[in-house]
Amino acid sequence: GNSVTQMEGPVTLSEEAFLTINCTYTATGYPSLFWYVQYPGEGLQLLLKATKADDKGSNKGFEATYRKETTSFHLEKGSVQVSDSAVYFCALSDRGAGSYQLTFGKGTKLSVIP
Amino acid sequence: NAGVMQNPRHLVRRRGQEARLRCSPMKGHSHVYWYRQLPEEGLKFMVYLQKENIIDESGMPKERFSAEFPKEGPSILRIQQVVRGDSAAYFCASSPGLTDTNEKLFFGSGTQLSVL
Repeated sequence: GNSVTQMEGPVTLSEEAFLTINCTYTATGYPSLFWYVQYPGEGLQLLLKATKADDKGSNKGFEATYRKETTSFHLEKGSVQVSDSAVYFCALSDRGAGSYQLTFGKGTKLSVIP
Repeated sequence: NAGVMQNPRHLVRRRGQEARLRCSPMKGHSHVYWYRQLPEEGLKFMVYLQKENIIDESGMPKERFSAEFPKEGPSILRIQQVVRGDSAAYFCASSPGLTDTNEKLFFGSGTQLSVL
């Protein structure tokens, strides 16, 4: 079956620090990969996605590259802000008829301090 | 433009009671999905519904759990005779259709169920 493993949190960084949150996956097919973000008191929001090998998803200064050879989709940001404090979830979905079923990692809580 | 609304935000039940969790999808969305996040785990798919139809309930426990999405009103996730192991965060998501589902999938803030 499908599974997603992401680095344990919580992660605490100073403002303007570099962020990496590791994510690796196992999948029976050729999945699409996603990062979702949950800000305090809100629902999960799609942050970025990639649908094929070597694709780079990017949004709001965050980036992640679909690495099929290492089955990874690590999230990076060069300079974090206090407003980036949130819980980040890595996820995948199969293609085709089952694409609505997302498999999530456990989430990584990020706190950015001024 | 209201997002996906879930209520209550927090629900406390004693063992053996019933829990009813509500989800109002975004305006114009006719597809609803329920996910459960147990402590220390990722969100797990439970059920996918369209208006008046259950499309896929493969992730839902066979006993005590049921879901509906009536023609009028919110989607309801119902848990009968709750046990401590049901304590979790329950998230609802909605989309307008199946095309590009994941790009147009919006989540609610979740209901935290605590069973005493």
